[in-house]
Amino acid sequence: AQSVTQLDSQVPVFEEAPVELRCNYSSSVSVYLFWYVQYPNQGLQLLLKYLSGSTLVKGINGFEAEFNKSQTSFHLRKPSVHISDTAEYFCAVTRYSSASKIIFGSGTRLSIRP
Amino acid sequence: SQTIHQWPATLVQPVGSPLSLECTVEGTSNPNLYWYRQAAGRGLQLLFYSVGIGQISSEVPQNLSASRPQDRQFILSSKKLLLSDSGFYLCAWSGGGAGEAFFGQGTRLTVV
Repeated sequence: AQSVTQLDSQVPVFEEAPVELRCNYSSSVSVYLFWYVQYPNQGLQLLLKYLSGSTLVKGINGFEAEFNKSQTSFHLRKPSVHISDTAEYFCAVTRYSSASKIIFGSGTRLSIRP
Repeated sequence: SQTIHQWPATLVQPVGSPLSLECTVEGTSNPNLYWYRQAAGRGLQLLFYSVGIGQISSEVPQNLSASRPQDRQFILSSKKLLLSDSGFYLCAWSGGGAGEAFFGQGTRLTVV
């Protein structure tokens, strides 16, 4: 079975500072990996996904993530954050199968200070 | 293009009352369907998962049930709500590409 661990429940940063949100996964088979963003009282929106190929994945809103198979990590980064990036971020994993369920981490709340 | 509809957006129900939340998907066929719950300050908990009509997997023991009467319709129900059923419920579907899920806007359920 797959599992996802988000190591930080909250990350406070100052505006225009860089940020890294950490995600580690566990799986005995190959997986797809995702990062989602959730703004207050809304559903989740896909930020980016890793399927195969290049380990550096670029997504929307200036975010990127790097897949590291040896460390089983998929950390999310942004070089300069804005107030509008204040939200909750979820890492997720699923197996290479059309019938596989998607498992989410517990989320990281990113708060941006002016 | 595919869309997912979830309703109602907010709901306040007394303890012991029944519940029915509905989710429908348009623009795709035979999607995988999910119900997640998000309690205050907590992550997403997978409640139910369905790969086809009438096929429901329950992920955690609980006071809720799910049904899939049609290919693109997923219903979350309870006969008698508990206070602990309060939370933000999210419906999602996957299967259109590389496995990513697409979410509805959620239902905020408050049991009083």
